[in-house]
Order: sequence, then C-alpha cells, then structure tokens
Amino acid sequence: NAGVTQTPKFQVLKTGQSMTLQCAQDMNHEYMSWYRQDPGMGLRLIHYSVGAGITDQGEVPNGYNVSRSTTEDFPLRLLSAAPSQTSVYFCASSYSIEGVSGYTFGSGTRLTVV
Amino acid sequence: RKEVEQDPGPFNVPEGATVAFNCTYSNSASQSFFWYRQDCRKEPKLLMSVYSSGNEDGRFTAQLNRASQYISLLIRDSKLSDSATYLCVVNGDSGYALNFGKGTSLLVTP
Repeated sequence: NAGVTQTPKFQVLKTGQSMTLQCAQDMNHEYMSWYRQDPGMGLRLIHYSVGAGITDQGEVPNGYNVSRSTTEDFPLRLLSAAPSQTSVYFCASSYSIEGVSGYTFGSGTRLTVV
Repeated sequence: RKEVEQDPGPFNVPEGATVAFNCTYSNSASQSFFWYRQDCRKEPKLLMSVYSSGNEDGRFTAQLNRASQYISLLIRDSKLSDSATYLCVVNGDSGYALNFGKGTSLLVTP
C-alpha cells in the first residue's frame, strides 16, 4: 500500500513550457485534490475531484488543468509555465468526500520555472 | 479575511514545557476541524481531528469553541521531536475542500 504517490519530486521548467504532474493513490479514495504551497501563503487549493469524471476549481485554478479518468489518478497539467508557478505542489486524497477523515498527502513536487 | 487564521510564531520553548496554539476560522458552517503537522520540506501529516467535546491524544489536547469559532492545540511535556509547523485546518464552503491556516512554527530547545 503506497498511499499517495507524486512524480516527479523535482522539476525545472522554462517559461512557456508545459508539463504534467502525476498523482496516484491506491487507497480507493473518491476525493483527490491539488494544493500549492508558497512561503508565507500556506496551502492553497488549485483543483479537486469528488470522483472519476468530476472535477472542480479551487482557490487558484488559473494556469492549471486537471482530469480524473480513473479513481486512482489525478494529474495536474501546467499549460504554459510562468515563474509565478514556482512552488511546491501537493496532491492529497481522502476516502470521505466531506473530508471528515482528513487527507493523506503525497510527498510533493518542487517546481521551479525559470 | 482569510478563512483560517493562526499566529505564525515562532514559538521557542524548552523541552518539557507546555505550549498552546490558537486558530480562528470564519465559516460558521464548518463541520470538520483538524490539526496537521508539517516538518521542514515535507508533506503535511494529520496530527488529530478536533471534536466538539474536545479530545486528547497522549500529550496533545485539542479544543473547539463553535460559538467563538476558535480551535486550540495544547502540547504538554514538549519533546525536541515536536519541533515542526502546526497547521489548523477547517472544511470550506463546498464541504469538500479543506482550508489550511498558514501554520504556527514551534521550536523545542534542549
């Protein structure tokens, strides 16, 4: 049981490049989400999903796309990377849609956009 | 107004001390409350849920005051290993997403 797996752990992109951050969970959790964490800003919600085929925007969705074709996977796509997207990205999942059980987080992806 | 507010600290305390963190939240409809712990450059990990009647887990005690929209975490007999950032977490308007405070930094010194 691996929990929540994020890849890659580190990434450097040039401005304008696109990439996909991968997130997979093996706990059969319905709820998955993406957060970014910046110094002094705390964790901010980018997108979330309450099940396969269902996604919605969070607090800071601009510049990011998501899809949820399976229960296990929830990739985050950066369409055209900008320096403002330099951050640490965390994927999280929960078996409870209402979040009452708390989240399990992946170990994060540290992204630098130059 | 930020939905979840915490004193960022840092709190510097000696080993064995008792330390308390406070948190306020703005959404009176929130139903789920948590404390998470985050070590430097690591992912947040669930420390404990917070229940209306208050709850205890070893040296950690969490309290919830719905009327004042206030959550607290008390750590007794602090250990060096308790040094971390403590995040106050509350569910948001949609009921799905969790809103995180910016965290309170704790440093326990020998």
